Amino acid sequence: GESVGLHLPTLSVQEGDNSIINCAYSNSASDYFIWYKQESGKGPQFIIDIRSNMDKRQGQRVTVLLNKTVKHLSLQIAATQPGDSAVYFCAENEGSQGNLIFGKGTKLSVKP
Amino acid sequence: DTGVSQDPRHKITKRGQNVTFRCDPISEHNRLYWYRQTLGQGPEFLTYFQNEAQLEKSRLLSDRFSAERPKGSFSTLEIQRTEQGDSAMYLCANEDRAADTQYFGPGTRLTVL
Repeated sequence: GESVGLHLPTLSVQEGDNSIINCAYSNSASDYFIWYKQESGKGPQFIIDIRSNMDKRQGQRVTVLLNKTVKHLSLQIAATQPGDSAVYFCAENEGSQGNLIFGKGTKLSVKP
Repeated sequence: DTGVSQDPRHKITKRGQNVTFRCDPISEHNRLYWYRQTLGQGPEFLTYFQNEAQLEKSRLLSDRFSAERPKGSFSTLEIQRTEQGDSAMYLCANEDRAADTQYFGPGTRLTVL
């Protein structure tokens, strides 16, 4: 999608390290953001979401940060594991229709 | 497992043939979305339903595409006179309105020869 994009197409990390995946969005009216994980041949899997009235939200080993000033979203994965290897997409929800606008994705590779 | 199922998982067809895909959502979620995903790209919105009403269509949904959700439960997406450019993963998502979260099915991979 044109309004959501990612800074890096690929990211390689060592097992046990922390991973940070970044995303830029352009629609300042978007009020809901989601990170999805997609493994090869599967549909996107919900990881974590955040609303525009928050700047940080934590889940199990994952944290999403939202910086509305610079329209930037990031996903932090703590203690990255081989099972985290996948393509990660950020998506924004704009308007009342609710359809998501996705970026192109970042491929995360975890080295043992 | 999100509870959203899609059938078939894979479809290979010859150019010019018609194909139909089915999505069975989580029954209590009333919004259902269809997306298309090509290799290396994120999903792109095609259309969505609230109950049985089709409320929005993207410009990607040409007149060869039609979607239905006859009883507000399962949905079908039909592509007529398929073209090689229709080759993609077709994803269905169900929305939890309490949280605005969309949960995706496993997708149907279409290959048009």
